[in-house]
Amino acid sequence: QVQLQESGPGLVKPSGTLSLTCAVSGDSISSRNWWSWVRQSPGKEVEWIGEIYHSGSTNYNPSLKSRVTISVDKSKNQFSLKLTSVTAADTAVYYCARVSAKGHDYWGQGTLVTVSS
Amino acid sequence: DIVMTQSPDSLAVSLGERATINCKSSQSVLYSSNNKNNLGWYQQKPGQPPKLLIYWASTRESGVPDRFSGSGSGTDFTLTISSLQAEDVAVYYCQQFYSTPYTFGQGTKLEIK
Repeated sequence: QVQLQESGPGLVKPSGTLSLTCAVSGDSISSRNWWSWVRQSPGKEVEWIGEIYHSGSTNYNPSLKSRVTISVDKSKNQFSLKLTSVTAADTAVYYCARVSAKGHDYWGQGTLVTVSS
Repeated sequence: DIVMTQSPDSLAVSLGERATINCKSSQSVLYSSNNKNNLGWYQQKPGQPPKLLIYWASTRESGVPDRFSGSGSGTDFTLTISSLQAEDVAVYYCQQFYSTPYTFGQGTKLEIK
């Protein structure tokens, strides 16, 4: 059974950096899948942030590209998200997910990140 | 970006009745190389992540009840729940994974009438 678990601070100050990690179990981060970050704002809009392959190849949402970095740690079977220069508009539940040929087929439970001073 | 538009925004259906949700993409999500539509349907209940129900527009994910079905091709898609059960109350999203940035519809809230 594939499981993903997000971790990281639940509160980030404005202009600071949001950092989250997703630990993967039940699948290898080096499998033939991509690994994705998705967020959902309090208004319920679902926004894809970006994805990474085990080789380090990435795709980012152009709306966030200048502020986003996704990285992979194969030794720990996990991947990470960094989002810089955050504002209140970045307050959301952040999910990590596996992207297979079927789409986003496994998701973490999500973690709420609030941007506030 | 491919824009995904769902209709209606909310829907109230009686138990045992049919529920139909539509999704339209601003451009085709059909891969001509394998003739598959890169379109998925997700169910989200409060406090939970989205759950994949249907992929490739019409293939049911393992474990999903057969009252859920998907149809359509190209730019127009439909999710149908043939006989609504109480546990189907949720928000439903379509998503294209044809090209990045992957995009979701705005969601359809399904309630019991």
